[in-house]
Amino acid sequence: DAKTTQPNSMESNEEEPVHLPCNHSTISGTDYIHWYRQLPSQGPEYVIHGLTSNVNNRMASLAIAEDRKSSTLILHRATLRDAAVYYCILRAGAGSYQLTFGKGTKLSVIP
Amino acid sequence: EPEVTQTPSHQVTQMGQEVILRCVPISNHLYFYWYRQILGQKVEFLVSFYNNEISEKSEIFDDQFSVERPDGSNFTLKIRSTKLEDSAMYFCASSERDRVTYEQYFGPGTRLTVT
Repeated sequence: DAKTTQPNSMESNEEEPVHLPCNHSTISGTDYIHWYRQLPSQGPEYVIHGLTSNVNNRMASLAIAEDRKSSTLILHRATLRDAAVYYCILRAGAGSYQLTFGKGTKLSVIP
Repeated sequence: EPEVTQTPSHQVTQMGQEVILRCVPISNHLYFYWYRQILGQKVEFLVSFYNNEISEKSEIFDDQFSVERPDGSNFTLKIRSTKLEDSAMYFCASSERDRVTYEQYFGPGTRLTVT
């Protein structure tokens, strides 16, 4: 899988929007952008994925740059429960389906 | 909402002993995975399993490890002779398909402590 770069940590105030960036300058045309998160002492949890267009679901939104070399996970209103490590993962359109986790971004939410 | 379950939540074993970690994937899922996370480190892929066969494995998954689906619901990871460095959280995951657009659902993990 192609490499991603994320900030080590970010902070947000409760009830405010959070924008978590991810750089993936070597992304290929068939790579999907996936986001997972891991709450403290839990297993990873799927958040959202996309290929080219922006995506919304009940948990978050994913904004993908036009050149696809970066993306941003948007939590519209952070809650204390959103405090977690967020992983941006590229998954090839064919071949290996394992998830390759990096170090992710540790999001702290301040009450 | 359906979920992946794992037992036990914590397993303590002595070095050289065999351990079996158990997982019950989501019932209509066909693809199963094991990952591990050593304390403070990244989540690492171990193995994927489909149709009673290993479809992919990492370098970590050596001859000491094996996986099995002994019945229609359980998926197990066996470590034959545990080492201190096997101490980690072990996560089971399952997915409906192996397509890149299908997410993997993870269990809560089993903490393995080898003494």
